[in-house]
Amino acid sequence: EAGVVQSPRYKIIEKKQPVAFWCNPISGHNTLYWYLQNLGQGPELLIRYENEEAVDDSQLPKDRFSAERLKGVDSTLKIQPAELGDSAVYLCASSLLTGGNGELFFGEGSRLTVL
Amino acid sequence: SQKIEQNSEALNIQEGKTATLTCNYTNYSPAYLQWYRQDPGRGPVFLLLIRENEKEKRKERLKVTFDTTLKQSLFHITASQPADSATYLCALDSYSGNTPLVFGKGTRLSVIA
Repeated sequence: EAGVVQSPRYKIIEKKQPVAFWCNPISGHNTLYWYLQNLGQGPELLIRYENEEAVDDSQLPKDRFSAERLKGVDSTLKIQPAELGDSAVYLCASSLLTGGNGELFFGEGSRLTVL
Repeated sequence: SQKIEQNSEALNIQEGKTATLTCNYTNYSPAYLQWYRQDPGRGPVFLLLIRENEKEKRKERLKVTFDTTLKQSLFHITASQPADSATYLCALDSYSGNTPLVFGKGTRLSVIA
C-alpha cells in the first residue's frame, strides 16, 4: 500500500515568490494534516481537514498561506508571497481516526528554502 | 500556558544499554499520548500509542509508561542498537481525543557501538 506522497521534496525560491506543495494521503484516510517543522523542533500543526472541510486552521497564517482539499482526497498548501522565515519542512500526514487515538502517517516532507 | 518538554535535546548511550527518554507536559489533560521516531530528512514514523487509563504499553524492545499524576511519559528502548539512533518525538492530544496531536521538540538518541 502506498504511503503519504508529497511533492516536491525540495524547493528553493527567492523571497516574495509563490510556492505550492502537494500531498496525496493514504487511500481511505479522511483526516489530513499539514504540519510545519523547523530545524530542531517538533512538527507544528498548520491545518487539519476532515474530508474537504478545514476543521482546525487557527495556526495557519492566513495572510500568506492558503490550503485546499478539493474532493476530500489530495491537498495543496500554498504560500504567497514567501518570506525568509518560511524556510522549513512542510509535512503532510493522514489518519484513519480523528484526534489522539489515531496514528498519523507522515509523508517525507517538502523542504523549502527561501533566499 | 500549555507545554510539552522532552528531557534533553540529545542522549548518548552505549549499545546494549536501555535508553530512557522522558516527556513531561503541563496544562494538558491528554486522553492519548503517542511516540514517533524521525530519521534525518524523513517524516516521523509512529511507534506506540498509550491511553490515559493505561499505565504501560510494550512492543518488542520498546516500552512506554504514562503517569497522569506526574504528567509524564517514559519511553524505553531495551538492548539498544546503533540502528535505534534517531530523534524520538512524543505527541499528545490536548483534550479527550478529538483534537489534533501536539508534538514535543524531540530527543536525539545516539547509540554508540
